[in-house]
Amino acid sequence: DQQVKQNSPSLSVQEGRISILNCDYTNSMFDYFLWYKKYPAEGPTFLISISSIKDKNEDGRFTVFLNKSAKHLSLHIVPSQPGDSAVYFCAASESGAGSYQLTFGKGTKLSVIP
Amino acid sequence: DAGVIQSPRHEVTEMGQEVTLRCKPISGHDYLFWYRQTMMRGLELLIYFNNNVPIDDSGMPEDRFSAKMPNASFSTLKIQPSEPRDSAVYFCASSLLRRGGETQYFGPGTRLLVL
Repeated sequence: DQQVKQNSPSLSVQEGRISILNCDYTNSMFDYFLWYKKYPAEGPTFLISISSIKDKNEDGRFTVFLNKSAKHLSLHIVPSQPGDSAVYFCAASESGAGSYQLTFGKGTKLSVIP
Repeated sequence: DAGVIQSPRHEVTEMGQEVTLRCKPISGHDYLFWYRQTMMRGLELLIYFNNNVPIDDSGMPEDRFSAKMPNASFSTLKIQPSEPRDSAVYFCASSLLRRGGETQYFGPGTRLLVL
């Protein structure tokens, strides 16, 4: 049973437009959420995170929104650039419980078309 | 810092052979994680260590898998005997505990193919 779900395996967006990647979770104990970006033949790299005490966190072109009641988060990339083409993983943890495991979604492959 | 280092980057072996994957975490990090990535299951946690001690190995698929961390700068993941279904990319990650959450830094991965 997947506790973190990324229902869109792939997404194509035109350069300069907004990319919206979605993630749903089922475990209400998750209190910290992260997005990782992965290029081929490399390990995932941290992109942006959000604590459950917030509903928005912004870092340059990247913004993560958290809707706790819906158990949903999304990553917005504005404007999208060809270098953003990668696989994006959503991850969640129950850091308050003393467990520092991350549970990952299966990823969404973003293609930004020039 | 050089980041998390994994070796080998690629491994091709035959079914039944022993496979050992190696990881050097970022200096000063006190958590180390082993993950496996497959198309079917995505990224799944196999085991993690805190201060060289295994904390949770519930993700280890079978007794054929074992992991050790003899010191703060080295860890191994061993598969014996290997099977074709073990073919995957294996990632090691390390983390420094910090208040409010944690961020893991991943190595480049070892791509394992068991024939």
